[in-house]
Amino acid sequence: DQQVKQNSPSLSVQEGRISILNCDYTNSMFDYFLWYKKYPAEGPTFLISISSIKDKNEDGRFTVFLNKSAKHLSLHIVPSQPGDSAVYFCAASGDMGFTGTASKLTFGTGTRLQVTL
Amino acid sequence: SQTIHQWPATLVQPVGSPLSLECTVEGTSNPNLYWYRQAAGRGLQLLFYSVGIGQISSEVPQNLSASRPQDRQFILSSKKLLLSDSGFYLCAWSARGKENRGEQFFGPGTRLTVL
Repeated sequence: DQQVKQNSPSLSVQEGRISILNCDYTNSMFDYFLWYKKYPAEGPTFLISISSIKDKNEDGRFTVFLNKSAKHLSLHIVPSQPGDSAVYFCAASGDMGFTGTASKLTFGTGTRLQVTL
Repeated sequence: SQTIHQWPATLVQPVGSPLSLECTVEGTSNPNLYWYRQAAGRGLQLLFYSVGIGQISSEVPQNLSASRPQDRQFILSSKKLLLSDSGFYLCAWSARGKENRGEQFFGPGTRLTVL
């Protein structure tokens, strides 16, 4: 049962254009959503997050939109740059199944973004 | 600032051999610690998490075990490796408390190939 889904395994975008990466989830108990960026043979690095009580969060070229009724979030990168080429993971956070103060992250399978010149 | 270390970076092991991967965190205390595996073409799967010394929880039944002998040290082990244990292993930490928003910080990873 995949609670977080990224249905596009890859995306190619021209430099300077907008990249839109999508993510769907099934569990309405998630309280934070996060995007991570991962280069080959490296650990993921945190990009941006959004609380479930908001519908938009912006940080420089990166904006995350949350549509709770559709259980859908998206990451917009504007303008896209060649250095943005990486695998992007969507993740959802909640206290389900954890005791104490830890939160579990459930990851999607990732979308490989390639920004072309 | 906080840093997280993992070693080795790459490992090739025969089937049936033991495994020990180590992860240490610097610059923070009482972190929550996690072990993930990324199999080829797959997402990140949570294997183990720990909220304190000696406290380990397993997410999926498997051929692996984890231990936390010190506050900032997390070890992933196996007595006998299987071919299916091949993958990219990632250690991560997060701060205590709900203010962390679920954000986790990942190490550089270990590429394990079982032959």
